[in-house]
Amino acid sequence: EVLLVESGGGLVQPGGSLRLSCGASGFTFTSYYMNWVRQSPGKGPEWVSDISGSGGTTHYADFVKGRFTISRDNSKNMLYLQMNSLTAEDTAVYYCAKEYNAVPLGHWGQGTLVTVSP
Amino acid sequence: DIQMTQSPSSLSASVGDRVTITCRASQAIRDNLGWFQQKPGKAPKRLIYLASTLQSGVPSRFSGSGSGAEFTLTISSLQPEDFATYYCLQFNIYPWTFGQGTKVEIK
Repeated sequence: EVLLVESGGGLVQPGGSLRLSCGASGFTFTSYYMNWVRQSPGKGPEWVSDISGSGGTTHYADFVKGRFTISRDNSKNMLYLQMNSLTAEDTAVYYCAKEYNAVPLGHWGQGTLVTVSP
Repeated sequence: DIQMTQSPSSLSASVGDRVTITCRASQAIRDNLGWFQQKPGKAPKRLIYLASTLQSGVPSRFSGSGSGAEFTLTISSLQPEDFATYYCLQFNIYPWTFGQGTKVEIK
């Protein structure tokens, strides 16, 4: 069974940094693209970033370019999102998600809440 | 970025009704579209991918159709557990983009 468990969320001040983690199990981690998707309170989901199985290819939404960095440690089956220069607009539940049948976002974790506030 | 426009934004329906939700892309996206269901406090769950392929374990009352720039999600006979918000997603060109959602409520 595919299991994705996010952690690392919390309260952070504007301008601060946070690193989210996603632990993966139940599948061959290195074989799959992984994604981060966020959802602000009361809004729809927003795709944030993805990374190839090897970690050699990444893509980002424009609103996080230069501030967020996606990475993975295939030896530990872990996905990360380093978030810098956070603003109130980054307040959201952050989900990690895995492709399934070669299509993005087939399996999702339960999410971790990031709150950016003074 | 590709804009995804869903309609309606919300609808009220009764158990047993046939429900159709439409998603239009601002440019052609072939069949690179997925449909997701989300219930309050839960992560989105993918129902359909590649416009019309049912995800494993999803009831057959859900179906998707369309290609190019116009797509539909149909629930053939609405069940109590189907009251939720539905989103489309295009994954043809980065950045992937979601529609704004359609909330299906009980009439």
